[in-house]
Amino acid sequence: KAGVTQTPRYLIKTRGQQVTLSCSPISGHRSVSWYQQTPGQGLQFLFEYFSETQRNKGNFPGRFSGRQFSNSRSEMNVSTLELGDSALYLCASSLTGTDTGSPLHFGNGTRLTVT
Amino acid sequence: QKEVEQDPGPLSVPEGAIVSLNCTYSNSAFQYFMWYRQYSRKGPELLMYTYSSGNKEDGRFTAQVDKSSKYISLFIRDSQPSDSATYLCAMSRNSGNTPLVFGKGTRLSVIA
Repeated sequence: KAGVTQTPRYLIKTRGQQVTLSCSPISGHRSVSWYQQTPGQGLQFLFEYFSETQRNKGNFPGRFSGRQFSNSRSEMNVSTLELGDSALYLCASSLTGTDTGSPLHFGNGTRLTVT
Repeated sequence: QKEVEQDPGPLSVPEGAIVSLNCTYSNSAFQYFMWYRQYSRKGPELLMYTYSSGNKEDGRFTAQVDKSSKYISLFIRDSQPSDSATYLCAMSRNSGNTPLVFGKGTRLSVIA
């Protein structure tokens, strides 16, 4: 079974630009979560989608948004990029969502660098 | 106080040693406990998954949960250089739409 696929693997953007990251979950998984990982803060939760609905949102500004499609694939968008947005963005899928104890399975992330 | 505390290390051990990695937490509502391993330039990989208290063993890895002390551990027996990675603990509640909460990770180096 194919794992979680994230594209692109690397991105370099300039301050003020916007970016869209893509995630394909494991086949059959209906929940997709996004995390931001930085050396200082570790893994921080961005949002979780289940059956195209956002179920939970972390403490990030409105510049961070996401969506999930009917085939469970997900995208996240960051507008008006800031230098502090440079991070590894991780997508993870789970069968039924973390509130049921279903563990997360991660992709290898998209490394975003904002200059 | 952060919900989940994990010593960042780095931890350096000789090959063959027994490694003990730990996390403490403050939220008594956590019921599901996980350990992830993350290699450089890779995403976290699920290693162990336990529900509530008790032990779970899988090959060289043993996960322990002590809910009374709000303390979880991962033991690695006969450690190998290939175990060199960052180990993250994670936990979640079993009610409400709550995300998985992660520790910051412990960097482990196993020296041949």
